[in-house]
Amino acid sequence: ETGVTQTPRHLVMGMTNKKSLKCEQHLGHNAMYWYKQSAKKPLELMFVYSLEERVENNSVPSRFSPECPNSSHLFLHLHTLQPEDSALYLCASSLSAGGSYEQYFGPGTRLTVT
Amino acid sequence: GQNIDQPTEMTATEGAIVQINCTYQTSGFNGLFWYQQHAGEAPTFLSYNVLDGLEEKGRFSSFLSRSKGYSYLLLKELQMKDSASYLCAVPSKGGYNKLIFGAGTRLAVHP
Repeated sequence: ETGVTQTPRHLVMGMTNKKSLKCEQHLGHNAMYWYKQSAKKPLELMFVYSLEERVENNSVPSRFSPECPNSSHLFLHLHTLQPEDSALYLCASSLSAGGSYEQYFGPGTRLTVT
Repeated sequence: GQNIDQPTEMTATEGAIVQINCTYQTSGFNGLFWYQQHAGEAPTFLSYNVLDGLEEKGRFSSFLSRSKGYSYLLLKELQMKDSASYLCAVPSKGGYNKLIFGAGTRLAVHP
């Protein structure tokens, strides 16, 4: 247990569906992150939030929409996804988004787009 | 730009020692992280090096040479449970705590 939880753990959705991924951290951290992990590819950073403010959008398509209502919760809203978006989506948190801090990862949501 | 290279796969025998290498190219250096990721699980932090030299933490040690853009993770007294992917990562230049990850080295430990 890393102190970062994600739900659901598995999700299958059609290309016309709308779904949301949820992440919660219980570590008192001020920064939260979304990563995408595709088979045989490096972890790719998608978004960075610092104190509920989005500070990094790593050229992610608009069909992925993040939301951070407070420093403990992070959502990733999904709509009109493509099959190539099937991947493991990992949430992480760290003490701060400034500087080099260890990131704590959640278990991920395995997303399949059909 | 930034680039990280690590071997794709390695195999080793239980009880042995294995060294996983990582080379990186980055403009500006703010340290190097190693993470362990078991199949289907979250990456977990192993080490962070910002100064040259070897840092030992139990059976795992991590080495850094900033002048060579090189790091390695040394695993001693290998156990079956050490079978996992090992990810090397460096913070991106400037901005926020944005980690650039290597593709990972998948280590298989055999009896």
